[in-house]
Amino acid sequence: EAGVAQSPRYKIIEKRQSVAFWCNPISGHATLYWYQQILGQGPKLLIQFQNNGVVDDSQLPKDRFSAERLKGVDSTLKIQPAKLEDSAVYLCASSFSGSTQYFGPGTRLTVL
Amino acid sequence: DAKTTQPPSMDCAEGRAANLPCNHSTISGNEYVYWYRQIHSQGPQYIIHGLKNNETNEMASLIITEDRKSSTLILPHATLRDTAVYYCIGPMEYGNKLVFGAGTILRVKS
Repeated sequence: EAGVAQSPRYKIIEKRQSVAFWCNPISGHATLYWYQQILGQGPKLLIQFQNNGVVDDSQLPKDRFSAERLKGVDSTLKIQPAKLEDSAVYLCASSFSGSTQYFGPGTRLTVL
Repeated sequence: DAKTTQPPSMDCAEGRAANLPCNHSTISGNEYVYWYRQIHSQGPQYIIHGLKNNETNEMASLIITEDRKSSTLILPHATLRDTAVYYCIGPMEYGNKLVFGAGTILRVKS
């Protein structure tokens, strides 16, 4: 069974630029999560989707971050404009029944 | 904020059992305890979860105290590849959200 796929694996941008990350969850998993992991910390949930609807986006900085899952499968997370403090690893996870989550390898973002 | 307490780091000799403790005193009767680990430069990996009975799978064993306020993850024969940050999570937030703390850095040494 294929795992959660993410791309790109690495991205370097300058502050005030925009960036987008892509996630393809495990087939059949209805729930999709985006996490932000700053160096030395545990992952922090940004947004949770159930199919193509948002369940929780309370921790998403909505002035600059946006996410969508239009067809209930793939998802994109966008940052516009990026700030230095957005440098982090962005992790995507999916689950079948909302319990055990399976994570992708993450995208490491560096904002200069 | 995370509702678990774990030691920041532990060392273990290769081939020996690694016992990682976790306190989750606020957990209620129907809430599971989950364990994940994160090897350097990878995403977190699910290890095991439990409710009240001890659990075992191909990766590890989970021992939960009778009052459910603490648990211990046991890697029976640690290898160098088990060096990682281990996260204990419990209870899950409403909507099955995982709230990660800082975890325990386990260093397995030869």
